[in-house]
Amino acid sequence: EVQLVESGGGLVQPGGSLRLSCAASGFTFSTYWMSWVRQAPGKGLEWVANIKQDGSEKYYVDSVKGRFTISRDNAKNSLYLQMNSLRDEDTAVYYCTGESVPFTGGFDIWGQGTLVTVSS
Amino acid sequence: QAGLTQPPSVSKGLRQTATLTCTGNSKDVGDQGAAWLRQHQGHPPKLLSGRDNKRPSGISERFSASRSGNIASLTITGLQPEDEADYYCSTWDRSLKSWVFGGGTKLTVL
Repeated sequence: EVQLVESGGGLVQPGGSLRLSCAASGFTFSTYWMSWVRQAPGKGLEWVANIKQDGSEKYYVDSVKGRFTISRDNAKNSLYLQMNSLRDEDTAVYYCTGESVPFTGGFDIWGQGTLVTVSS
Repeated sequence: QAGLTQPPSVSKGLRQTATLTCTGNSKDVGDQGAAWLRQHQGHPPKLLSGRDNKRPSGISERFSASRSGNIASLTITGLQPEDEADYYCSTWDRSLKSWVFGGGTKLTVL
């Protein structure tokens, strides 16, 4: 079964840090571009960052540049998001998602999401 | 990074046809096309169509995507109660090196 399972979410104070993890199974993780996409409560989807299959390219939405770092470990079939200097507006469900057909497809694999709440 | 434009809501009757639109520009939708996702309340999104307008395996033929210039469309025929959901378009902007999403359209099946 194709599966993505996120973990690491929780409650953190403004200025704090969290590291999200995403464990992949049931497909060849190393062939997928992977992304983190978030959804604030009651709001739409927002792409956060992505990483190429071999980790050689990484891109971020402007609002997280310099604060968040995406990484992957293909040997462990895992994706990560290190989040530093967290702000109230980072509160959201964070989804791990992947593209099996880069350049022409879309996000065809999704995890269930992990909730990050930034609040004092 | 500007987003794509979708109408906030669309309402159609059971077994009718709904066409959802997604407006971008020449650097996003006009260049790459748009993928379509459906999200039911409390669940993760699900891909309905890729940027090449192809349906992933297992997606009903009732869903068809197309593009004309900078506007992408998703047509859903024979509306069913389970089609009531939020629909998002998305694409990669090669100039911004960023994925962009539409704000989503809430489809109500009457």
